[in-house]
Amino acid sequence: AQSVAQPEDQVNVAEGNPLTVKCTYSVSGNPYLFWYVQYPNRGLQFLLKYITGDNLVKGSYGFEAEFNKSQTSFHLKKPSALVSDSALYFCAVRDRGPNDYKLSFGAGTTVTVRA
Amino acid sequence: GAGVSQSPRYKVAKRGQDVALRCDPISGHVSLFWYQQALGQGPEFLTYFQNEAQLDKSGLPSDRFFAERPEGSVSTLKIQRTQQEDSAVYLCASSLPPREQYFGPGTRLTVT
Repeated sequence: AQSVAQPEDQVNVAEGNPLTVKCTYSVSGNPYLFWYVQYPNRGLQFLLKYITGDNLVKGSYGFEAEFNKSQTSFHLKKPSALVSDSALYFCAVRDRGPNDYKLSFGAGTTVTVRA
Repeated sequence: GAGVSQSPRYKVAKRGQDVALRCDPISGHVSLFWYQQALGQGPEFLTYFQNEAQLDKSGLPSDRFFAERPEGSVSTLKIQRTQQEDSAVYLCASSLPPREQYFGPGTRLTVT
């Protein structure tokens, strides 16, 4: 079985400061890992993914994430947060086995960036 | 190009009524998914189609839930005899395997 944990319900940062949203995963083999962002009354928007290769993945809107196999983590980062980054962020995992289509999501982390 | 669209965006149903939720995937995407997102939670997998074939329906919570994609494009999620616990946002996603899934805006179902 695959699962994702996002240990923080909320993250609050000041604009211009670094932003980190934590994610740890559990999967039987090597995972595919994803970050999605959800704005109010809108669907999930894809930010970035880790498939293989370089552990540091760069995505949309200046976000990046680092895959750490030993710590089973995939934390989302942005060097300088913007007020417009305030949203709900979801980490998701997909196995590489027979069910490699099925995404399992964390409960989400609400990010608030204050001006 | 156009993204995934869903209709209606909001649906209020009285307990016991049947509802039908529609999803128009991105053109050419062979894979289509339905998820249920309860308030304050992440999306939970319901069912998966590859073209018109429903390959996995393990996430459907009861036999009141039924999904179809008869021509391998538009999909409909039907809920019969709605219950209050069915209140949630229903998200549709499509993809071109093995690429990432793209989500629609969702349908917020409220059962009163």
